[in-house]
Amino acid sequence: DADVTQTPRNRITKTGKRIMLECSQTKGHDRMYWYRQDPGLGLRLIYYSFDVKDINKGEISDGYSVSRQAQAKFSLSLESAIPNQTALYFCATSDAGQTAGEQYFGPGTRLTVT
Amino acid sequence: KNQVEQSPQSLIILEGKNCTLQCNYTVSPFSNLRWYKQDTGRGPVSLTIMTFSENTKSNGRYTATLDADTKQSSLHITASQLSDSASYICVVGPTSGTYKYIFGTGTRLKVLA
Repeated sequence: DADVTQTPRNRITKTGKRIMLECSQTKGHDRMYWYRQDPGLGLRLIYYSFDVKDINKGEISDGYSVSRQAQAKFSLSLESAIPNQTALYFCATSDAGQTAGEQYFGPGTRLTVT
Repeated sequence: KNQVEQSPQSLIILEGKNCTLQCNYTVSPFSNLRWYKQDTGRGPVSLTIMTFSENTKSNGRYTATLDADTKQSSLHITASQLSDSASYICVVGPTSGTYKYIFGTGTRLKVLA
């Protein structure tokens, strides 16, 4: 089984709808991240969480919210989806104890907002 | 502004040939520089990680170099294979005192038979 899983893998939704993307990990890592990837741009950080009680905004958090339900689960919500949120979304994890800061990515969720 | 720029944007080579991808960065200071491989429709997977004090790191046919003076890194792929067709992303970070990783936009490599 994959260490970092994301559901759904693909989603098409309409403008104004609420949508949740889910991420689960079996690596036992404390740190989890949500990124979005757009064509021609590098991955950009939306939110990150260093433990269950620690959630922080990234560089592009507007229009998004997150929930860290457990060490292994980190969900990303779009409260009212808009077309420019169409993108590929990745969840990632890292171990706080690793000085090299290795990040492990999930397979991604392709979201289309019409 | 912290930036990571990669070149070329795309590259086509024949199977068995070598190639070198470039990464120039303005991020400073930082903990490490990484190269990721991202297959189409998949998440990035780490190839190499170098601290700012390392000059080179190898992983099989992949060799990364880092020149902290010129703020340049390269990824050399030896004896390319069809399975090397992917995007290769240079990532610098975390920046000092922060969580932040700066991602390049990637080089899309296509290996032809």
